[in-house]
Amino acid sequence: SYELTQPSSVSVSPGQTARITCSGDVLAKRYARWFQQKSGQAPLLLIYKDTERPSGIPERFSASTSGTTVTLTISGAQVEDEADYYCYSAADNSNYVFGPGTKLTVL
Amino acid sequence: EVQLVESGGGLVKPGGSLRLSCAASGFSFSDYSVNWVRQAPGKGLEWVSCISGSGTYIYYADSVRGRFTISRDNTNHSVFLQLNSLRVEDTAVYFCARERATGDIDYWGQGTLVTVSS
Repeated sequence: SYELTQPSSVSVSPGQTARITCSGDVLAKRYARWFQQKSGQAPLLLIYKDTERPSGIPERFSASTSGTTVTLTISGAQVEDEADYYCYSAADNSNYVFGPGTKLTVL
Repeated sequence: EVQLVESGGGLVKPGGSLRLSCAASGFSFSDYSVNWVRQAPGKGLEWVSCISGSGTYIYYADSVRGRFTISRDNTNHSVFLQLNSLRVEDTAVYFCARERATGDIDYWGQGTLVTVSS
């Protein structure tokens, strides 16, 4: 199927580790990417090619993959990391799919 | 500096049309695919359409196929999205976004709001 599933919300205290999962059959064959979207802003690419971090993205953001599930990890989450997080993948050669998004609360 | 600037949004009645534009700068425009992604108020991201760098390959989401048309002008570094037969459920902020050859969307514009209402 071309659906990606994510938890609707995750909540952690500052300094704790936040983990956000993204699951879907397509992830067994296609790379996952992660975007961060803060309120009123355009999305920001956090992770590409399952686990790669673009330059300028803090090291506390990392990702791992296992079968049909990818996990975004924010080590030592900060208040400024409060945002919506979306996973994204190419569903096939002509279609793309976003996960429903996860609202991260850090307080 | 890579920049993508959308324009053309506004208020339109159901059944109406709009043409969105995305002006790009700061990179070799024809080397990149460009996507349109939308976000309804308070909702998540939804991929809408993609056009390859040369304009040869074009893809649409099922929800807009047959109503929306994507095109590009590589001379003027612009991508367009023609929205026809608009529905209330098309109300959203429409973002254009650059896609690398690897399939990664790496830069986004700030979006333009389309409101479909009678």
